[in-house]
Amino acid sequence: AQTVTQSQPEMSVQEAETVTLSCTYDTSENNYYLFWYKQPPSRQMILVIRQEAYKQQNATENRFSVNFQKAAKSFSLKISDSQLGDTAMYFCAIRDIQGAQKLVFGQGTRLTINP
Amino acid sequence: KAGVTQTPRYLIKTRGQQVTLSCSPISGHRSVSWYQQTPGQGLQFLFEYFSETQRNKGNFPGRFSGRQFSNSRSEMNVSTLELGDSALYLCASSLVTGSYEQFFGPGTRLTVL
Repeated sequence: AQTVTQSQPEMSVQEAETVTLSCTYDTSENNYYLFWYKQPPSRQMILVIRQEAYKQQNATENRFSVNFQKAAKSFSLKISDSQLGDTAMYFCAIRDIQGAQKLVFGQGTRLTINP
Repeated sequence: KAGVTQTPRYLIKTRGQQVTLSCSPISGHRSVSWYQQTPGQGLQFLFEYFSETQRNKGNFPGRFSGRQFSNSRSEMNVSTLELGDSALYLCASSLVTGSYEQFFGPGTRLTVL
């Protein structure tokens, strides 16, 4: 069974600062996808960034980047130049490449960006 | 394109009743997955439907069931409601099963009294 652990239940930073959210996971698969999803207060969950495990290069999407350490089973999210709109719950998730669309989520990190 | 829609957005039921939630995927998407979100258990996978067939099911009792129609719309049903079924139920759609991105709907907030 796959598991995902987010060890930081809450984080708070000032606007424009850089923040890193931690995620570790466990899986017996060699190929899988890793995701970070964002769930703003009372709004829909949206995909922030994804990483294919077979790709060594870390994924980046504008201000969002990941540090993927496959051997350590670690997948952290870095948000640069944080903005008030980044305030949200952030969920790390894993999914097999083959098979059904079953995402396994971590417990989430509540991130607050302060003005 | 319209996003994933879920109806109703809010529901209040009493213990023992049953409930049906609906999900309309993004046009052209054939895979629909359901998740339960609670403060205690977090986000948990319920099941996925693709081309009207259940492809995978999470670790939930048989009171939780679903189906998918030929137009890819999906419903989930919970029978004999319990207090612990109070949750936000999220639906997510993707083009095909195996596609890397799922698009989530706004959810249905179910409260069981």
